[in-house]
Amino acid sequence: GQQVMQIPQYQHVQEGEDFTTYCNSSTTLSNIQWYKQRPGGHPVFLIQLVKSGEVKKQKRLTFQFGEAKKNSSLHITATQTTDVGTYFCAGSGNQFYFGTGTSLTVIP
Amino acid sequence: DSGVTQTPKHLITATGQRVTLRCSPRSGDLSVYWYQQSLDQGLQFLIQYYNGEERAKGNILERFSAQQFPDLHSELNLSSLELGDSALYFCASSVGLAGFGETQYFGPGTRLLVL
Repeated sequence: GQQVMQIPQYQHVQEGEDFTTYCNSSTTLSNIQWYKQRPGGHPVFLIQLVKSGEVKKQKRLTFQFGEAKKNSSLHITATQTTDVGTYFCAGSGNQFYFGTGTSLTVIP
Repeated sequence: DSGVTQTPKHLITATGQRVTLRCSPRSGDLSVYWYQQSLDQGLQFLIQYYNGEERAKGNILERFSAQQFPDLHSELNLSSLELGDSALYFCASSVGLAGFGETQYFGPGTRLLVL
């Protein structure tokens, strides 16, 4: 069946360093969404990408959808302690699939 | 506050027991989704309902069942509970069908502990 994998599973960075998480699907996705889950919280929608090669920015966050619509990335520039949490991608195919998540720790 | 409510917040029960988790979607949302999140695990999709009808099934065990009522609230029933069922159970809602790229709004979750 369809799977959405994310790497890395865990990432520790010093505050101010950049961070990137990658999302890969075994099949083509019609769109991809990104969610953030703070420790002890629930997933919160960040953004949706629909077009092949699409790039969207939210302040220090840059989201990209691959040309083949099978992969995506989230890049955070100059991480802050408020960025701590687990980032999930979620792809729409014939169902809705959440990725395995990347847990980000930011060391002050 | 996402507008999605879940009750109870915490639930402690024993193996072999049965529990019911309740979810009220955001006003106007027709789809309800259930997810299981174990410690250090991702979100495992269990089941989706749209306007009262089951639309998609994920990794839901036969011991688990769900339904969506005419007022659109949903209940997840977990029976013959095992230790491994201890997890955080999230409900999410969306306006229509997330397969078409809609945002899902998550509730605060119900933390289930099976002893």
